[in-house]
Amino acid sequence: DSGVTQTPKHLITATGQRVTLRCSPRSGDLSVYWYQQSLDQGLQFLIQYYNGEERAKGNILERFSAQQFPDLHSELNLSSLELGDSALYFCASSVRDIGEQYFGPGTRLTVT
Amino acid sequence: SQQGEEDPQALSIQEGENATMNCSYKTSINNLQWYRQNSGRGLVHLILIRSNEREKHSGRLRVTLDTSKKSSSLLITASRAADTASYFCATDRGGSYIPTFGRGTSLIVHP
Repeated sequence: DSGVTQTPKHLITATGQRVTLRCSPRSGDLSVYWYQQSLDQGLQFLIQYYNGEERAKGNILERFSAQQFPDLHSELNLSSLELGDSALYFCASSVRDIGEQYFGPGTRLTVT
Repeated sequence: SQQGEEDPQALSIQEGENATMNCSYKTSINNLQWYRQNSGRGLVHLILIRSNEREKHSGRLRVTLDTSKKSSSLLITASRAADTASYFCATDRGGSYIPTFGRGTSLIVHP
């Protein structure tokens, strides 16, 4: 158990809908990262927050947004969902804004 | 695009044998990390090696880094069935310390 929690575990929704994925980092970790893992694209970095502020952006679509709250938990919002958004979404955390990351168990999103 | 590429894509061995996976990358890096992922689960950090280091050990794991060849290898000695997983290398470079992951090597260890 990495200490990073993600909810929900599974999510099935229809195209065009909006969902929110939630992540609680390990106690004491200030940095949160979001990744998308799919068979064709592999593991893609989406976005990083450090102590409440956006620190780095990767291949995140405009339909996706995220935030980190004062208690350091983070949410990833996915809107206008498309079939291609079906994937595993991982959250990871680290103590600082660099170094080894601790991954949560992931949320499996299926868009039908 | 992936910075690191693992080789082989898949590896099947018997318990007790050693497993070697390689990672090649294209541009100079700050750090290289190896992670393990069991099917459909979160990644687990194994080892981080800095660009000025050549070798690191952790239990049955040995990681080497050759910056002149832009490559790294992960050796798992005396493999066990529980080592069955996908193994990913991740590199970060320049001013960004965000790791870029390769596609992974799928390792199957037969009991």
